[in-house]
Amino acid sequence: NAGVTQTPKFQVLKTGQSMTLQCAQDMNHNSMYWYRQDPGMGLRLIYYSASEGTTDKGEVPNGYNVSRLNKREFSLRLESAAPSQTSVYFCASSVRAGHTEAFFGQGTRLTVV
Amino acid sequence: KNEVEQSPQNLTAQEGEFITINCSYSVGISALHWLQQHPGGGIVSLFMLSSGKKKHGRLIATINIQEKHSSLHITASHPRDSAVYICAGASGGGSEKLVFGKGTKLTVNP
Repeated sequence: NAGVTQTPKFQVLKTGQSMTLQCAQDMNHNSMYWYRQDPGMGLRLIYYSASEGTTDKGEVPNGYNVSRLNKREFSLRLESAAPSQTSVYFCASSVRAGHTEAFFGQGTRLTVV
Repeated sequence: KNEVEQSPQNLTAQEGEFITINCSYSVGISALHWLQQHPGGGIVSLFMLSSGKKKHGRLIATINIQEKHSSLHITASHPRDSAVYICAGASGGGSEKLVFGKGTKLTVNP
């Protein structure tokens, strides 16, 4: 049982390059999330998807786009990477929002130079 | 605005000690998550509670709704408990957004 799988685990980008972070869950969860984690700050929500076909902005959406491709997959795209987007990114899923257990991927450490 | 505050930021203990990590939250938060992040970076959900107390092995989580306060206790601490512990609040009404505390870094020395 894989749970939540994120790829890649590490990535280095040059400023201005684009990339997509992939996330897939095999638990038949409705809700999926993308967070970023920076030193000294708590996890911050970038985008979330309450259900297949819907996406909404979180606390820090600027510079990112998302796609809920199907119930399993939720991708995060950086169209033009900036050094401020250097962070650790986590994908998570839950049966439904907030009041059910959240499951996290292993994280993607992204460095933008 | 929903907020979650954790204390202490850092905690060092000797093996075997009883550990308490605290989390205070603002009005509007109706459920609390406790998460564990190991040095390798992965995040694991420990508890989700909206009332009372939950126990899993040496870990106990409590929540006091009137005081808007939750605690995570670790009994008979062990070096493998060394990790960052994070509390996160969920609003009622089906809100999609968890609000996270900044975490408590626990180090348990042998």
